[in-house]
Amino acid sequence: AQTVTQSQPEMSVQEAETVTLSCTYDTSESNYYLFWYKQPPSRQMILVIRQEAYKQQNATENRFSVNFQKAAKSFSLKISDSQLGDTAMYFCAFMKDAGNMLTFGGGTRLMVKP
Amino acid sequence: DTGVSQNPRHKITKRGQNVTFRCDPISEHNRLYWYRQTLGQGPEFLTYFQNEAQLEKSRLLSDRFSAERPKGSFSTLEIQRTEQGDSAMYLCASSFSPGLAVHGQFFGPGTRLTVL
Repeated sequence: AQTVTQSQPEMSVQEAETVTLSCTYDTSESNYYLFWYKQPPSRQMILVIRQEAYKQQNATENRFSVNFQKAAKSFSLKISDSQLGDTAMYFCAFMKDAGNMLTFGGGTRLMVKP
Repeated sequence: DTGVSQNPRHKITKRGQNVTFRCDPISEHNRLYWYRQTLGQGPEFLTYFQNEAQLEKSRLLSDRFSAERPKGSFSTLEIQRTEQGDSAMYLCASSFSPGLAVHGQFFGPGTRLTVL
C-alpha cells in the first residue's frame, strides 16, 4: 500500500515571497503519478500541478513548480510570488495507475500574510 | 455549470437514521470516486466506479455503506444506521479513463454530514 506524508501541518509566508511545501511518499511502484491539490477554506478541491514519475523534468504551472526526486521519493511544491488567494490547505496525492484512486497526505495549511 | 455537483451540501441527521447523498460527475467522465474527509485530514478513498461497475471498495466502507451508479451517470452513496463517527465531508470526484485520467480527478464541493 502507498503512503503519503506531509510533515508540515501549518506554514505561513508573506505576500510576494516564496514558500516550499514538503511531501514524501512510499511505494514499490516504478510508474505512478503525483499531484498537488489546493482546498481553499469552505471551497472545493482543485488541482494545482501534476507530475508523471517517468518524466525527469519537474512540472511547472505559472507560479507553481515541483521538485520531484524519485530516488528519495520526495515531491515538494514551490509557490513563488505568494498571493493572498493562495491561502488554503494543500494536499499531496499519489496515484498508482492512470484512473486509479488517489492516496492523500494529511495536508499543509498555508497562510499568506499581507 | 460543467463541474462535479453534489447534493445536498449539508446534512444533519440523528444517530441511527439513514442518509443518501448524490453526485453528478462531469458528463463525459466515465470514472467516479467517493472519498471521506474528516476535519483537518486528507481525503480517504471509499470506492470508485467505471461506468456502472463498482471496481474497488476500501475497507473503510463498512456494511452500512452502499454506493451505486445506475446507468453510469450520477452516483448515490447511502449510509444506513448512521453513527457519530460517520460525521465527515463526503467528496465525489470524476475523471476520464484511460488517457485523461493522468490529468487527475475533478472534485465536487462535498456533502458535509453531521450525525447528532
